[in-house]
Amino acid sequence: SAVISQKPSRDICQRGTSLTIQCQVDSQVTMMFWYRQQPGQSLTLIATANQGSEATYESGFVIDKFPISRPNLTFSTLTVSNMSPEDSSIYLCSVVVGGYTEAFFGQGTRLTVV
Amino acid sequence: DQQVKQNSPSLSVQEGRISILNCDYTNSMFDYFLWYKKYPAEGPTFLISISSIKDKNEDGRFTVFLNKSAKHLSLHIVPSQPGDSAVYFCAASLGGYQKVTFGTGTKLQVIP
Repeated sequence: SAVISQKPSRDICQRGTSLTIQCQVDSQVTMMFWYRQQPGQSLTLIATANQGSEATYESGFVIDKFPISRPNLTFSTLTVSNMSPEDSSIYLCSVVVGGYTEAFFGQGTRLTVV
Repeated sequence: DQQVKQNSPSLSVQEGRISILNCDYTNSMFDYFLWYKKYPAEGPTFLISISSIKDKNEDGRFTVFLNKSAKHLSLHIVPSQPGDSAVYFCAASLGGYQKVTFGTGTKLQVIP
């Protein structure tokens, strides 16, 4: 399995500001993903974080709003830019470890934008 | 377009009885299905999975059934325990774990 540390666990931010969320894994992983869970909604994939190259974004998500970095095989960041109250969600980092067919999740970052 | 649907937002079951959580999907190309459990303030935890080539997978108290013709899967928990109280997400993917599509979740409450 994998132990995933996600920081911060929660934050309250002013609209118009940006927040960077960190995801650290205790082992090298093949794939890293970022998800969002809006209140009362399912988990929605934002993007696949690619090591050493630009992230692959899903429909409805753009790099200017959600820039992602993945400098190595154990670490990634997601930035939520120019935040509005609609960005209030739980953001989750997810990884796939070699030899496993399921993904592991971090504990999530609960973001509230006021 | 919600490709994975969990039509019951909540379910209450007496301790020791069976819990049955249901999930429907629309994309017949999905070939791998998973169930995750989520406690408050924690990330989802993998519970059990099933490949589209099977119709049943069992792991202890947890069994997942897949009916491909009906595009329906269900999770059975027997016997249910108070510690099973959580939100359960059904998920489906194409070609193994690539892009996983999640349902909206069912909140299970097991009453002692």
